[in-house]
Amino acid sequence: QQQVKQSPQSLIVQKGGISIINCAYENTAFDYFPWYQQFPGKGPALLIAIRPDVSEKKEGRFTISFNKSAKQFSLHIMDSQPGDSATYFCAASKGGGADGLTFGKGTHLIIQP
Amino acid sequence: DVKVTQSSRYLVKRTGEKVFLECVQDMDHENMFWYRQDPGLGLRLIYFSYDVKMKEKGDIPEGYSVSREKKERFSLILESASTNQTSMYLCASSFSWGSQETQYFGPGTRLLVL
Repeated sequence: QQQVKQSPQSLIVQKGGISIINCAYENTAFDYFPWYQQFPGKGPALLIAIRPDVSEKKEGRFTISFNKSAKQFSLHIMDSQPGDSATYFCAASKGGGADGLTFGKGTHLIIQP
Repeated sequence: DVKVTQSSRYLVKRTGEKVFLECVQDMDHENMFWYRQDPGLGLRLIYFSYDVKMKEKGDIPEGYSVSREKKERFSLILESASTNQTSMYLCASSFSWGSQETQYFGPGTRLLVL
């Protein structure tokens, strides 16, 4: 049973455009929703995270939108740059994250110059 | 700056061998985790630990065991390696049980089982 579904698998966006990656979850006990960014040969690194008591969180060009009733959340990358080309994973956890994260399958993002 | 190190970047083993993957973190984190990453499957949690000598099964613990004798070190053990355990293994650590803290990942160990 896949508890966090992520789409699309791959995405190509022109430089300066908006990249949008979507995730849906099933477990209503999840209370922490981070996004991780991974470059080739590196481990994932936290990009931005949100808790269900807010509907949106913005950090620079990166925004998470959260819809609790629909059990969906999405990552928006504004003014996408070639340096944003990476694999992005959404994730979810319950109980403060100490039990580990449940990840989506990842989105391979390519920003074309 | 948090640092999570893994003992090997690449490892080649034979079927049936016992394999040890080591992970060390230098930030006094209570929580440590082992994930495996496979193309198209994302990261899946194998085991985690929230204290020395404590361990909990994740989503895919079969064929693996772990050891945490010291707070900074978390080992993943493949008792008898099989070809379906060929994968990228990622260790992570985080601070404070019960709070939503960032998980910091190591660079990964790419294991090939022949």
